[in-house]
Amino acid sequence: DVKVTQSSRYLVKRTGEKVFLECVQDMDHENMFWYRQDPGLGLRLIYFSYDVKMKEKGDIPEGYSVSREKKERFSLILESASTNQTSMYLCASRTGTNTYEQYFGPGTRLTVT
Amino acid sequence: TQLLEQSPQFLSIQEGENLTVYCNSSSVFSSLQWYRQEPGEGPVLLVTVVTGGEVKKLKRLTFQFGDARKDSSLHITAAQPGDTGLYLCAGAQGGNYQLIWGAGTKLIIKP
Repeated sequence: DVKVTQSSRYLVKRTGEKVFLECVQDMDHENMFWYRQDPGLGLRLIYFSYDVKMKEKGDIPEGYSVSREKKERFSLILESASTNQTSMYLCASRTGTNTYEQYFGPGTRLTVT
Repeated sequence: TQLLEQSPQFLSIQEGENLTVYCNSSSVFSSLQWYRQEPGEGPVLLVTVVTGGEVKKLKRLTFQFGDARKDSSLHITAAQPGDTGLYLCAGAQGGNYQLIWGAGTKLIIKP
């Protein structure tokens, strides 16, 4: 069974804190993605990585950075958390071959107070 | 600009009824996927449609890709409470890594 895990299901942080969200996949997938999901807005792509140490900005990268040092792990970093970054964060992976199907983790609900 | 419009945004019906939700765009997609997301979980892939006019069935769920590959529909027959969730469509365009996502249809099936 394919599996994508995220380090926390719920997280509460204070404004200005540095926040790390971790995602691990065990499927040897090449591509990994970070999205945020807000009611009525669907999934918005923050960053994606098509290979180790490779990353590209998505639609809303401001205020975020990412790291992919190993194939199975993709980290999302909020350098200085703000209240408008309160959201559900979803990590996904895909094989990188001729298929677009993405496999998602359970999500991290982040609240910034 | 949202390239994929889903309708309705919200639907609440009784168990046993039939329903159809839509995913529309002015853009052409090479393939389109439907996902279901339950509360507190990540989306799970239901189906991928690739060919214009294609129809795929998954038990009581019927998915159709428009002839021009710009739109899709999901029809559920005899809905059950277990069908409750957020239904998302996502389109792929050529060799782009990214998917274009709709905002979703929130479906509630009341027993």
